[in-house]
Amino acid sequence: EVQLLESGGGLVQPGGSLRLSCAASGFTFTNYAMSWVRQTPGKGLEWVSVISGSGSRTYYADSVKGRFTISRDNSKNTLYLQMNSLRADDTAVYYCAKVEWGYYFDYWGQGTVVTVSS
Amino acid sequence: QSALTQPASVSGSPGQSITISCTGTSSDVGGSKYVSWYQHHPGKAPKLLISEVSNRPSGVSNRFSGSKSGNTASLTISGLLAEDEAEYYCSSYTSSSTPYVFGTGTKVTVL
Repeated sequence: EVQLLESGGGLVQPGGSLRLSCAASGFTFTNYAMSWVRQTPGKGLEWVSVISGSGSRTYYADSVKGRFTISRDNSKNTLYLQMNSLRADDTAVYYCAKVEWGYYFDYWGQGTVVTVSS
Repeated sequence: QSALTQPASVSGSPGQSITISCTGTSSDVGGSKYVSWYQHHPGKAPKLLISEVSNRPSGVSNRFSGSKSGNTASLTISGLLAEDEAEYYCSSYTSSSTPYVFGTGTKVTVL
């Protein structure tokens, strides 16, 4: 059974940093791209970033480019999102998702809440 | 890359069928084989309902079906059940530098 478990969310001041983690199990982690998707309060889902199975290729939404860094440790079956220079509009529930064939998200975690506020 | 456009809300009575639209451009929905749909109950993990426009993953009820015409994709829920009350999102793989885009989301209410 595929399981994705996010952690690392919390309350952080504007300009601060936070690192999210996503522990994966139930599939061969290194074979799949992984992604972060967020849902801001009262709004819909927004794709944030994706990383290839090997970790060699990464892509970002314009809204987080230059501030967020996606990475993975295939030896630990864990996905990360390093978030720097956080802003109030980064407040959201952050989900990690397994990417199937590179085109869609077939499994999602339960999410971790990030609140950026002073 | 702008979000795909979905109606904010759709409602129907139990047993009825409803259709949710998802309108994009030729750079995403219109030019992509990879339109997907997700169901999201508050506080839970989103669930994949439809992949590649109309493919239903194993375990997903056949009451859910997908289609596409031009720049607009659609999700139809037939035989509406109370448990179908949730938020629904479309998504498309795109040919732009932003590889994925989501729809604005549709709240489905079962009357």
